[in-house]
Amino acid sequence: EIVLTQSPATLSLSPGERATLSCRASQSVDNQLAWYQQKPGQAPRLLIHDASNRATGIPARFSGSGSGTDFTLTISSLDPEDFAVYYCQQPHRWPLTFGGGTKVEIK
Amino acid sequence: EVQLLESGGGLIQPGGSLRLSCAASGFTFNNQAMTWVRQPPGKGLYWVSTLSRDGDDRYYAEAVKGRFTISRDISKNTLYLDVNSLRAEDTAVYYCAKGLATRWYAFEVWGQGTVVTVSS
Repeated sequence: EIVLTQSPATLSLSPGERATLSCRASQSVDNQLAWYQQKPGQAPRLLIHDASNRATGIPARFSGSGSGTDFTLTISSLDPEDFAVYYCQQPHRWPLTFGGGTKVEIK
Repeated sequence: EVQLLESGGGLIQPGGSLRLSCAASGFTFNNQAMTWVRQPPGKGLYWVSTLSRDGDDRYYAEAVKGRFTISRDISKNTLYLDVNSLRAEDTAVYYCAKGLATRWYAFEVWGQGTVVTVSS
């Protein structure tokens, strides 16, 4: 099973600041990595697929990068609506796995 | 508009069974892989099962293999998850999810979830 380790567990930032979230895979997933945002009481929302492709309707302040085992989700300037939990996910090998999540909270 | 609506959850005793349903609208299941993901209370996301686009292949997480069965009824545009021999650790919100047209594994549409609580 491919284990995805996200860091940090919690990120305390202010609106307007830059957020950098990390996802490390226990083995290579090529570029097959997605990022999701989840707010309390809501289903997850797809942000990024294939490491760097923004999903439809996702603002340009969200960007993804990386390949192999190291990936990054960057939010260039935090909007108040961006405070949420973020998960990475790999479909490269069965079983599909998710990371443990990074909570981006207001400082 | 593409939508997914889950139902069938509830409070069930350990060892019991449920059938979870996911009704789709705005698209057809033909040639579309579908997936179930669950989220235990206060915890992260866990993949449960995927049904291939042609409906012939089923994939399961080790934790549910032999107890859960994924299936679909194309005529009803509905995905199912039969959950048997339930355990306390199966308590979670169960989501069905649809991938992108060309990337079945990037889940762009999610239902609102149905809650399964396993407790005596």
